Amino acid sequence: QVQLVESGGGVVQPGRSLRLSCAASGFTFSSYAMYWVRQAPGKGLEWVADISYEGSRKFYADSVKGRFTISRDNSKDTLYLQMNSLRTEDTAVYSCARDWSGCSSTSCQPSYYFDYWGQGTLVTVSS
Amino acid sequence: EIVMTQSPATLSVSPGERATLSCRASQSVSNNLAWYQQKPGQAPRLLIYGASTRATGIPARFSGSGSGTEFTLTISSLQSEDFAVYYCQQYNNWPLTFGGGTKVEIK
Repeated sequence: QVQLVESGGGVVQPGRSLRLSCAASGFTFSSYAMYWVRQAPGKGLEWVADISYEGSRKFYADSVKGRFTISRDNSKDTLYLQMNSLRTEDTAVYSCARDWSGCSSTSCQPSYYFDYWGQGTLVTVSS
Repeated sequence: EIVMTQSPATLSVSPGERATLSCRASQSVSNNLAWYQQKPGQAPRLLIYGASTRATGIPARFSGSGSGTEFTLTISSLQSEDFAVYYCQQYNNWPLTFGGGTKVEIK
């Protein structure tokens, strides 16, 4: 079965860095675009970043652009989020999610909505 | 950025009753809209995509409608397991954006 397991969260001071990981299993990771979505305590969902199946195309929310970097290692079935210059407003549960569409024999066009999500890892930015 | 506005913020419904949730986009998103259900402590679950197509394994009591800027999620007869928060998400434009959510609670 599809599993996405995040790790790397914790408490960090403003201005510091953290790297999140998302270990994928149960599907062909290299065939799917992947996403990071966050949810601040008691708040709604916010898309953070996404990456194409092979890693060449990346998009970021304006709120994290220039500070966060999404990447993937298809040989390790793992998605990453490098978070630099963290701010208090980055405090949230960070979840990875899989695109609904995987690559077919003829196309690798993502759908841009999410069919599987991890449980998330909590990042708390506080002095 | 396309702003997604959901209403009401909270909906109190008795089991067996019908629930109607609304999602409005600040500009047209065509039919590029998804709905998710999230229960406390759980990851969101995809219910609907393409505004009206149920995802795999989603019961027929869930239905989606609308296009352009106005969308509706209808739960025809609420079951105990349906009490949760529901989010809409547009995927017509970047950034991908979610609504603020509608909490469906037991009346």
